[in-house]
Amino acid sequence: KAGVTQTPRYLIKTRGQQVTLSCSPISGHRSVSWYQQTPGQGLQFLFEYFSETQRNKGNFPGRFSGRQFSNSRSEMNVSTLELGDSALYLCASSLGRDESTEAFFGQGTRLTVV
Amino acid sequence: SQQGEEDPQALSIQEGENATMNCSYKTSINNLQWYRQNSGRGLVHLILIRSNEREKHSGRLRVTLDTSKKSSSLLITASRAADTASYFCATALFGSKIIFGSGTRLSIRP
Repeated sequence: KAGVTQTPRYLIKTRGQQVTLSCSPISGHRSVSWYQQTPGQGLQFLFEYFSETQRNKGNFPGRFSGRQFSNSRSEMNVSTLELGDSALYLCASSLGRDESTEAFFGQGTRLTVV
Repeated sequence: SQQGEEDPQALSIQEGENATMNCSYKTSINNLQWYRQNSGRGLVHLILIRSNEREKHSGRLRVTLDTSKKSSSLLITASRAADTASYFCATALFGSKIIFGSGTRLSIRP
């Protein structure tokens, strides 16, 4: 079956703009999590959605938001972009029934803010 | 801050040797997972060990978990060039939030 698909793969934005990233999970997976990866901070948890509801949230400012649709696809939005938002954004999908299920990751979206 | 911290941060070994990476974490967990990441790409799930398990094997991988010491280790036996990657431990807290450690960069010399 198809893996986790993230679009776009690469993105260049200007400070102050906003950006929307998309993640299509594996068919049948209801949980989608988002992570930010930077050289300095490593992999940071942003939030998790399960059945269209935000189930967990990391320690990021309100400029970072997300949503999940009825088909489990998820979008992440970052408003008023800052240079420090340049990062690899990864999404992961899982069955989400409990904490014991493994997460499958997409290839990520490389966001560069200039 | 990271829940898990890997040790060492970087490891370089000869092909064919064994590689051992350690992970320490801070709070009680439901399970611990190890992932591999090749050069800025997505993460690949390697193995999951539950909090009531002490050791688990998968091919050339062996994972141990010591909940009393809040630590885990990943052993890769008979390393190959293709094992060159960053390895992350990830702890699943109760509530399905997965927190990653800082990673170990493994380089396999031919």
